[in-house]
Amino acid sequence: DIQMTQSPSSLSASVGDRVTITCRASQGIGKSLAWYQHKPGEAPKLLIHGASILRPGVPSRFSGSGSGTDFTLTISSLQPEDVATYYCEKYASALWTFGQGTRVEIK
Amino acid sequence: QAQLVQSGAEVKRFGASVKVSCKASGYNFKSYGFSWVRQAPGQGLEWMGWISTYNGDTNYAQNLQGRVAMTTDTSTNTAYMELRSLRSDDTAVYYCARDTNDVWSGYGMDVWGQGTTVTVSS
Repeated sequence: DIQMTQSPSSLSASVGDRVTITCRASQGIGKSLAWYQHKPGEAPKLLIHGASILRPGVPSRFSGSGSGTDFTLTISSLQPEDVATYYCEKYASALWTFGQGTRVEIK
Repeated sequence: QAQLVQSGAEVKRFGASVKVSCKASGYNFKSYGFSWVRQAPGQGLEWMGWISTYNGDTNYAQNLQGRVAMTTDTSTNTAYMELRSLRSDDTAVYYCARDTNDVWSGYGMDVWGQGTTVTVSS
């Protein structure tokens, strides 16, 4: 099975800071990667699919990059409403797998 | 507007079964499949499995093989997830999510249900 490893597991940054979360696949997965934002008490929200395709309505401060085994989610200017846990997910090719999550807090 | 509405919270005994429903509206039900995802207390998201509404094909997470069954009813636009032989570590919030109908390609889970809390106790 393909494993997805996210880092860091948590981070604390100031409002306006640039935040980067990485996700590494144990095998190449092309661009079959999505990023989700999950706030307590809410359903997860799809931010990005195809490694870099921003979903409609998602603020442009979110961006994704990468292919193969190494992927990145970047928040260009952290806002208070971005406090959440972020997950990468490898989809399709018969098995789906989530990373373990990155908790983002405001310093 | 696409929407998924799940059934209500459940409390079950060890060894029992639970069946969670997920009613879809606002889109062509047979154009998309479903994934089911759960989150145990203090843990991350866990993918449980996927079902195609096109042909009923399923794919289950290896650790749930033999205990989970996913079905759909195209007459009522409803997806179901049944989990058997419940254990304490099955206590979690269970989500349905709209997904691809093609097991080999996709675009992420773009519409989610509100979640169903399942509590397993003695």
